[in-house]
Parts: sequence; C-alpha cells; structure tokens
Amino acid sequence: SYELTQSLSVSVALGQTARITCGGNNIGGKNVHWYQQKPGQAPVLVMYRDNNRPSGIPERISGSNSGNTATLTISRAQVGDEGDYYCQVWDSSPVFGGGTKLTVL
Amino acid sequence: QVQLVQSGAEVQKPGASVKVSCKASGYIFSSYAMHWVRQAPGQGLEWMGWIKSGYSSTEYSQKFQGKVTITRDTSASTAYLELNSLRSEDTAVYYCARDGVTTFDFWGQGTLVTVSS
Repeated sequence: SYELTQSLSVSVALGQTARITCGGNNIGGKNVHWYQQKPGQAPVLVMYRDNNRPSGIPERISGSNSGNTATLTISRAQVGDEGDYYCQVWDSSPVFGGGTKLTVL
Repeated sequence: QVQLVQSGAEVQKPGASVKVSCKASGYIFSSYAMHWVRQAPGQGLEWMGWIKSGYSSTEYSQKFQGKVTITRDTSASTAYLELNSLRSEDTAVYYCARDGVTTFDFWGQGTLVTVSS
C-alpha cells in the first residue's frame, strides 16, 4: 500500500517561512491535499490538488508537488498557523500522512 | 454554507455496537459521497470507508471491513457509521467528511466514542 512520510514536527519563528513536507514514491504524479487540525477541532482543508487554496485560505499559504516530495509552504507564519498538518493522496483509496506538528516560536 | 453536524459523544461497553450520524445541510446531499475517518487518541487520521452518491454503494478500508457499516438516508440528508463488536481499541473520534473528488472538502465536528467497561 502507498505510504506518505511526514516529519513529526516543524518549528518556525514568528513571521518567517515554514515548509512542511510529505514524501511518497513518485508523489509528483498524484494530487496532494493538505489539512490543518488545531487541538480539539476537526481537520480543515487548506490546500487541494497540490496548489489550490479553498475559499478563505490566505495567499501566504502555498503548495507544490514534484518528484517524491510535496511541500506546504506557510509564509509570514502566525501563531494561528499552529497545529497538526496532514497530507493526503488517493491511491485506490485515501491515504494520509502521519501528520506534522507546526510550532510558531 | 455547507455544514456537517454529527451526533454526540457515546460511551459503550465492550461488545456493543454504536451508530454515529452525520446530518448535512447547505448542499444537495444526494450529489456527494461521504467518507468516515477515525482518529485514535493522540494519533493521526485514518480513512475507514465511504458511501458514494447515486446508488449509494460503499467501499471500506480493508482494516475496517466487517467492523463498520456505512449507510445514508437521502430523505434526511444524513449519513451513518455503525461500529460493531466494540473493543477498547475502537475508542476514538470519528469524523464524517464530504467527498471533494479525491479530497475531503468539509468535515463534521467529530464524535468521540469511548469503549469502556
């Protein structure tokens, strides 16, 4: 079965740029979606099909996908960006990465 | 606006069954598939299965085959997740999520199911 690999945690200074990666075999050939989950809340879609933002998601959040790595980039990081981020693809069925905890220092 | 409102928290004994509901509003329920996702305490997201639009066919993750049944009542705009033969390992938050074509575009607030004797 297809596997997605994410770092357990990423830290970023307030106002700087955070990059959260999602690794998978030739993931560049798949559509990658990203979700943010804050403590005690349901996940929220923040990026779909690699680099498309749902309504309400700020432009400083962007996505890319190539080769074996997809990346969610959060520019000018804010405290409100903290949470767990999950990547997801569809490979005969949905697959989630293990999640990355983003901390804004 | 799209909303998915799930039923409240449940406490069940081992061996029992539980049925969680997910009531949709703000869109044409019959036109969209619905997924269910599990999140065990302190763990990540795990896809369980889905019920498709149209003929309401279902598909389950191999891990949950035989453990869960997903149904829906189009007249009530509600999807259901039934879990049987509950064990302590089934203690988790269960989410419904609308299908957004390979993604999950809207999520319910989650339902905590606790299995304890």
